[in-house]
Amino acid sequence: SQQGEEDPQALSIQEGENATMNCSYKTSINNLQWYRQNSGRGLVHLILIRSNEREKHSGRLRVTLDTSKKSSSLLITASRAADTASYFCATDIAGGGNKLTFGTGTQLKVEL
Amino acid sequence: DTAVSQTPKYLVTQMGNDKSIKCEQNLGHDTMYWYKQDSKKFLKIMFSYNNKELIINETVPNRFSPKSPDKAHLNLHINSLELGDSAVYFCASSRTSGRAGTGELFFGEGSRLTVL
Repeated sequence: SQQGEEDPQALSIQEGENATMNCSYKTSINNLQWYRQNSGRGLVHLILIRSNEREKHSGRLRVTLDTSKKSSSLLITASRAADTASYFCATDIAGGGNKLTFGTGTQLKVEL
Repeated sequence: DTAVSQTPKYLVTQMGNDKSIKCEQNLGHDTMYWYKQDSKKFLKIMFSYNNKELIINETVPNRFSPKSPDKAHLNLHINSLELGDSAVYFCASSRTSGRAGTGELFFGEGSRLTVL
């Protein structure tokens, strides 16, 4: 299975609700990053959290990291229709050779 | 002013043909990458170059040959195309990794390759 597995695979919510996506990984990391991909577009970096950090905020985004459980979560508060996209976690594996390994992604749909 | 640009955006070609995808970044980054995204949206790294030097080759068939003429450009040439090569290919760039690890990747918009 993949280094980064995301849960759920798909999520559908109403505008204004919060969306939570989870990412689990297998090996020690230097950092973990979250990206967004709109349909037919490239990936856009959202947030980076280092292995010695537990929580990070950016606007309506909140990311947590639990290295003991090898898991991270991305919370989007007060979601908007424009948040509809696929969200990927990516891990920079310690000793893994300066590359990001991407998870399987969560498809988020925010309905009006 | 596009940070990472790749061309062409779409490629439709027959099996057995050879094709190239070009990538350029104007961010001054030292490291560039090629990723392949399959129909299930799974992204897998193919190659990484740092200052024109190949540093990652993820067991990609040797029909795929990257070329980096300078640190702002990383092109991908594919020989003898097969049906399974159909995918979206993304170029990306980043600053050289430091003690904190690999930093933020900046992606191009992707090149959708369809092999018939």
